[in-house]
Amino acid sequence: NAGVTQTPKFQVLKTGQSMTLQCAQDMNHNSMYWYRQDPGMGLRLIYYSASEGTTDKGEVPNGYNVSRLNKREFSLRLESAAPSQTSVYFCASSEGVWAEQFFGPGTRLTVL
Amino acid sequence: QQPVQSPQAVILREGEDAVINCSSSKALYSVHWYRQKHGEAPVFLMILLKGGEQKGHDKISASFNEKKQQSSLYLTASQLSYSGTYFCGTDHTGTASKLTFGTGTRLQVTL
Repeated sequence: NAGVTQTPKFQVLKTGQSMTLQCAQDMNHNSMYWYRQDPGMGLRLIYYSASEGTTDKGEVPNGYNVSRLNKREFSLRLESAAPSQTSVYFCASSEGVWAEQFFGPGTRLTVL
Repeated sequence: QQPVQSPQAVILREGEDAVINCSSSKALYSVHWYRQKHGEAPVFLMILLKGGEQKGHDKISASFNEKKQQSSLYLTASQLSYSGTYFCGTDHTGTASKLTFGTGTRLQVTL
């Protein structure tokens, strides 16, 4: 039982490059989330998915797209990376919104 | 708006108690508490729901004052393992799908 896995763990991009962050969970959870965490800051929600095929914007969605491929997987895409997107990205899942969120180990992204 | 956490940082000796507060300027439906150790992912501690229901760990307690739009996390007889940054996430919609997290309270427990 791996819980929530994220790939890659580290990534360096140049401004304008694109990439997709992958997230998968093996707990059969319906809800999945993408957050970013900047130094000294709390978590900020980028996108949320209540179930396969549904997504909803969070607090900071600009510059990102998401795809809920199936119940297990929820990917985050940066179409044209900017230095302001340098951050640690966490994926999380939960059985429902009133349940604890289980977080993945994070992806540390640097945009030069 | 982001909830305000206080204190921003606290240093305790093992065995001492601490209280971490989380205040919001908007009505709260629930408050979610997480702890994050340096370089690691956040870990769930507790959910407090409007009406008084709590879901969480037995060794950590918390309160939720709906009228004051505040929540407090109580850490008693602190252990070294309690060290980390504590975040509250506030739910202002009643759906708990979009939490707004505070900037955290850094807790260090020393011998």
